Amino acid sequence: AQRVTQPEKLLSVFKGAPVELKCNYSYSGSPELFWYVQYSRQRLQLLLRHISRESIKGFTADLNKGETSFHLKKPFAQEEDSAMYYCALGPYGGATNKLIFGTGTLLAVQP
Amino acid sequence: GAVVSQHPSWVICKSGTSVKIECRSLDFQATTMFWYRQFPKQSLMLMATSNEGSKATYEQGVEKDKFLINHASLTLSTLTVTSAHPEDSSFYICSASRPGAGTGELFFGEGSRLTVL
Repeated sequence: AQRVTQPEKLLSVFKGAPVELKCNYSYSGSPELFWYVQYSRQRLQLLLRHISRESIKGFTADLNKGETSFHLKKPFAQEEDSAMYYCALGPYGGATNKLIFGTGTLLAVQP
Repeated sequence: GAVVSQHPSWVICKSGTSVKIECRSLDFQATTMFWYRQFPKQSLMLMATSNEGSKATYEQGVEKDKFLINHASLTLSTLTVTSAHPEDSSFYICSASRPGAGTGELFFGEGSRLTVL
């Protein structure tokens, strides 16, 4: 079965500390992995996707097929990074943009 | 660009009534929109895929007669919760894929909170 697991509901760090938001997945085939972010009182938006191999706002994520993981990392957290982060997996059900979302991790960056 | 808007943002209704939620793509045409339901502190649960000009595709376990989806134009999809009951109270979110955007790049609405009394 296709599944996305984010084991941490809440991750609290101090400003300047490294951040790693964990995401593990289960998928038969070649998955595409994404990280979406929701800042306070804003809508959900795409942060980055594994296929682009990009760094957005200092965040990176590497797809590790051996460990079936797609952890989101940032070396030095900023207060403005505080948000809800969702890992997502697709495609499934034969539709390109159908995604499965994890339960989300709330990142709280303390001053 | 790529703005998706939902209306209403919140709605309170009496048990047994029907409620319609609209999802509009404001600056692009969306042949496909998705409807999700989110329970407190839980993930987004995909309810259905809304296809312009054809019937919606519902996920397993979602009652199609309960949650009516209509995608009458390239910029509008509606979700109607029929004969709503308190257990239908939830946060409903829509998203749309924009032509030319990357795979998996979805544009989300701000969500609609439904409270059924």
